[in-house]
Amino acid sequence: GENVEQHPSTLSVQEGDSAVIKCTYSDSASNYFPWYKQELGKGPQLIIDIRSNVGEKKDQRIAVTLNKTAKHFSLHITETQPEDSAVYFCAASPPYNNAGNMLTFGGGTRLMVKP
Amino acid sequence: KAGVTQTPRYLIKTRGQQVTLSCSPISGHRSVSWYQQTPGQGLQFLFEYFSETQRNKGNFPGRFSGRQFSNSRSEMNVSTLELGDSALYLCASSFLEGGNTIYFGEGSWLTVV
Repeated sequence: GENVEQHPSTLSVQEGDSAVIKCTYSDSASNYFPWYKQELGKGPQLIIDIRSNVGEKKDQRIAVTLNKTAKHFSLHITETQPEDSAVYFCAASPPYNNAGNMLTFGGGTRLMVKP
Repeated sequence: KAGVTQTPRYLIKTRGQQVTLSCSPISGHRSVSWYQQTPGQGLQFLFEYFSETQRNKGNFPGRFSGRQFSNSRSEMNVSTLELGDSALYLCASSFLEGGNTIYFGEGSWLTVV
């Protein structure tokens, strides 16, 4: 099955700096890669996603890049703010027939933005 | 538009008991999936339902089961609870099958004592 590895497990940045979180996946057939932000006591919130027919996607301060050849994708947050502090998860979805919505998650990155 | 709603939010059960958790997907969403989140194992897929049929099941023992109703609402059940079942159980929904955007609820916190 799919295996997703996420690095780093913790990341501390100064407010205004950029943060980059990287994920690798094992199944070259995976074609959907969402990123979720989880705040304490809450469920994961989708912040951005990318499909395998696209190399990069941007939404304001957040961007995701995908390298299908190397099987890795990254989350980039620019101009970080204290409210960006949370745990971020990457995930991959296999495109097998009738696979439905089965996400394999990375281990998570705890991002701390210091004021 | 209301998000994914899960009930109850918090519950405490005793070893050996069973528990049923409920999930109402976003209106119009027909796919419902369940995940278990623990500090040690992270987020793990339990199962997914579409049109009242279980399509996928993760690597969990048979004590974990679920079902989906005709209105797309879903329930999951855990029988003979063990201490290790203590976790945040998350329900997620999406509009269509196969790789579409998935939205999570706030989860049900289960503590087994």
